[in-house]
Amino acid sequence: EAQVTQNPRYLITVTGKKLTVTCSQNMNHEYMSWYRQDPGLGLRQIYYSMNVEVTDKGDVPEGYKVSRKEKRNFPLILESPSPNQTSLYFCASSTHGRGIYNEQFFGPGTRLTVL
Amino acid sequence: KQEVTQIPAALSVPEGENLVLNCSFTDSAIYNLQWFRQDPGKGLTSLLLIQSSQREQTSGRLNASLDKSSGRSTLYIAASQPGDSATYLCAVSGGSNYKLTFGKGTLLTVNP
Repeated sequence: EAQVTQNPRYLITVTGKKLTVTCSQNMNHEYMSWYRQDPGLGLRQIYYSMNVEVTDKGDVPEGYKVSRKEKRNFPLILESPSPNQTSLYFCASSTHGRGIYNEQFFGPGTRLTVL
Repeated sequence: KQEVTQIPAALSVPEGENLVLNCSFTDSAIYNLQWFRQDPGKGLTSLLLIQSSQREQTSGRLNASLDKSSGRSTLYIAASQPGDSATYLCAVSGGSNYKLTFGKGTLLTVNP
């Protein structure tokens, strides 16, 4: 089954404790991205990756890091989480370019609480 | 900067009614527009994707239209059912990073 998976689905942590949220897709998509969803603010892009070893900042990259060492994986790293990073996080993937297959597929979400 | 607006923010209808959700965007230079459904606390389910060169797409009881020049899209839901209750999000893809810019959604409640 074609899908985007994220782990963990729920995480409660404390300020300053480094964490990683994993994202994996099995559709051989070049493009992957991370979004956060907050009440009243909607979904905003954090980072994106056009392909392996190619990453760039989205609208709200502060406090986050990413890496793309393999095509299928795109982990989101919070080196020193803070309470304002409490949010619902989504990973997404799609084919790359302006072709007709640019539909973006989303993972199930990771609900992160930073105390 | 692309901005996406969805009207209304919330909508409550009786079962069986046909309804229209509206989406507008400020920059017509888009690659495509997607409509998503989100159930409370859940992920996003893609409903329809309209490429910038297309005018509409249909899937079952759903029909989405796109007028790129005026920056508008509508999602038409026929014969609504209680199971359609969810938040519907409109998003446009554009720019060198293919970023999806989302609206804040329309919360739909279909009453039995």
